[in-house]
Amino acid sequence: QSVLTQPPSLSGAPGQRVTISCTGSSSNIGAGYNVHWYQQFPGTAPKLLIYGNTNRPSGVPDRFSGSKSATSASLAITGLQAEDEADYYCQSYDSSLGGREVFGGGTKLTVL
Amino acid sequence: QVQLQESGPGLVKPSQTLSLTCTVSGGSINSGGYSWSWIRQPPGKGLEWIGHIYYSGSTYYNPSLKSRLTISLDTSKNQFSLKLSSVTAADTAVYYCAKDPYYYDSRGYKRHWFDPWGQGTLVTVSS
Repeated sequence: QSVLTQPPSLSGAPGQRVTISCTGSSSNIGAGYNVHWYQQFPGTAPKLLIYGNTNRPSGVPDRFSGSKSATSASLAITGLQAEDEADYYCQSYDSSLGGREVFGGGTKLTVL
Repeated sequence: QVQLQESGPGLVKPSQTLSLTCTVSGGSINSGGYSWSWIRQPPGKGLEWIGHIYYSGSTYYNPSLKSRLTISLDTSKNQFSLKLSSVTAADTAVYYCAKDPYYYDSRGYKRHWFDPWGQGTLVTVSS
């Protein structure tokens, strides 16, 4: 059971907008800790997509955007493309149980 | 552009110690402003942060693994290493090393994200 909750799967048609949620609690996102997002293709390492809630590293298309409010965060992908089919993970810091960096359980995005 | 590469045995027997090394290229492991992490992913499952080490040598470990874990730094080789003792089948995973940029939270503590990552190495615990 992950500290950060993501939907296990999501799907969308090419060109659509999809949103992946990341729900936390008062010991992580709700405590003001930043949320970061990663994209992972099968058999490869995760790649940073969004850091500090809303910031895109250079090279990440502006179709990807992040937001945060209260105890949750979201990753939005607009103009969905076949190449976006991947697993997506959110990450933040959790102060419970001694404190550690934590990840969501991951969301498998399927492009129909 | 910093690159990271994990290396070490792909098979470890139960109760033994898992040892991995991460070699950093394209930048100095000694440069301030970053720490260096280990993260793992059991087959078909999600990601778990293991722990990290700062360029100063100070470490912070995931409390769930702390009693079995040692992360160390070898600045002369631009490497950092992971040792996880008393392994069981539950420790079977792809192990990644990563560079940790950080920000300061509202209390002034460093909190991290991970970029870039190494390609990962699968370690299987089995007799």
